[in-house]
Amino acid sequence: GAGVSQSPSNKVTEKGKDVELRCDPISGHTALYWYRQSLGQGLEFLIYFQGNSAPDKSGLPSDRFSAERTGGSVSTLTIQRTQQEDSAVYLCASSYGGAYNEQFFGPGTRLTVL
Amino acid sequence: AQTVTQSQPEMSVQEAETVTLSCTYDTSESDYYLFWYKQPPSRQMILVIRQEAYKQQNATENRFSVNFQKAAKSFSLKISDSQLGDAAMYFCAYEDSNYQLIWGAGTKLIIKP
Repeated sequence: GAGVSQSPSNKVTEKGKDVELRCDPISGHTALYWYRQSLGQGLEFLIYFQGNSAPDKSGLPSDRFSAERTGGSVSTLTIQRTQQEDSAVYLCASSYGGAYNEQFFGPGTRLTVL
Repeated sequence: AQTVTQSQPEMSVQEAETVTLSCTYDTSESDYYLFWYKQPPSRQMILVIRQEAYKQQNATENRFSVNFQKAAKSFSLKISDSQLGDAAMYFCAYEDSNYQLIWGAGTKLIIKP
């Protein structure tokens, strides 16, 4: 079956512009996660959705970052007024939720802010 | 707060030999879950193996096995009969009580032909 998809795969933008990153999870997965991975680093948790609600937004680095999930499916991560330090790979993952469930990852969106 | 430490930024192994990647973590919880994920150059993160903390038996998946030492808070990954396709970044992760994964910084594994 289809895996997690993300679009675009690469995004180059100018400092100060807004960007939207999209994630399509695996059908039936109730949990959805956004992570940020800077070059050569591990993953930094951003936000977690269970269904359409986000019980934990603590990882969002600033109020320029927001995310929503509609219909318990597609999610959009929006970064407003992008800064150069926002440059990274943004990974999305989905799972059946709950403990000990494998998270299935998308290929990521590489964001470059000039 | 929980933390995960991978002390080896890079490891190399000869093809067909065995390599062990280290991971330690810090937690005050008694029940939790641990994972090893692999990220090849394609960027696609893939689950390698997972372990439930309340199970004393070490998890095994084909050529991959773990050495889980709960008292020492250690969770190392052993790869036997290393293959070229095993070359990747390997990340250790701890699942907290909110079902979120806390990640180590990763170990880059190089396979020498």
